[in-house]
Amino acid sequence: GNSVTQMEGPVTLSEEAFLTINCTYTATGYPSLFWYVQYPGEGLQLLLKATKADDKGSNKGFEATYRKETTSFHLEKGSVQVSDSAVYFCALKKRQTGANNLFFGTGTRLTVIP
Amino acid sequence: GAGVSQSPSNKVTEKGKDVELRCDPISGHTALYWYRQSLGQGLEFLIYFQGNSAPDKSGLPSDRFSAERTGGSVSTLTIQRTQQEDSAVYLCASSAPTGANTGELFFGEGSRLTVL
Repeated sequence: GNSVTQMEGPVTLSEEAFLTINCTYTATGYPSLFWYVQYPGEGLQLLLKATKADDKGSNKGFEATYRKETTSFHLEKGSVQVSDSAVYFCALKKRQTGANNLFFGTGTRLTVIP
Repeated sequence: GAGVSQSPSNKVTEKGKDVELRCDPISGHTALYWYRQSLGQGLEFLIYFQGNSAPDKSGLPSDRFSAERTGGSVSTLTIQRTQQEDSAVYLCASSAPTGANTGELFFGEGSRLTVL
């Protein structure tokens, strides 16, 4: 089946610290991979994505590389800010489906303190 | 509206009562999705609409759950004879025709349901 396992939180970091949130997946075929973010009081929104092996998605200083050999899509940021405090969700989509049904992880809450 | 709108934002009900949750997608978005997020769980896919039809309703947990969409716009998720295990945040998302198959969904803030 299809599933996503991501690092359990919560994660608390000081401003300017390095962030890694681990995500691994199980899927048949070659899925597309995503990170969504939910800021306080807002709906989930797409942060970045990668559609094939070795692709790197990036946005707002965040990066994630699609690693087929380790079935991983870890989220990284070199220097976090207080405004990055949010819940981060890793997700996958089966490539062959015509719809946008996504399989999500449980979410990781990040708190950045000044 | 500018974003996906869901109502009510919070609903407390007694076990055995029926509830209706509403989703108003972004104008022009043809696809609409319902997800459920229970405490400590990931988002669980419930149902997907393309226009007014539901090609995939495989995630509905039981026959107490149903959903409809009218006019290719507003959708209602109905839970009959609610049980305590139905307590969760119900999320609605929509996607644009040009975004079909890209994985980009636009989410509402969710409806938090508590069944006492």
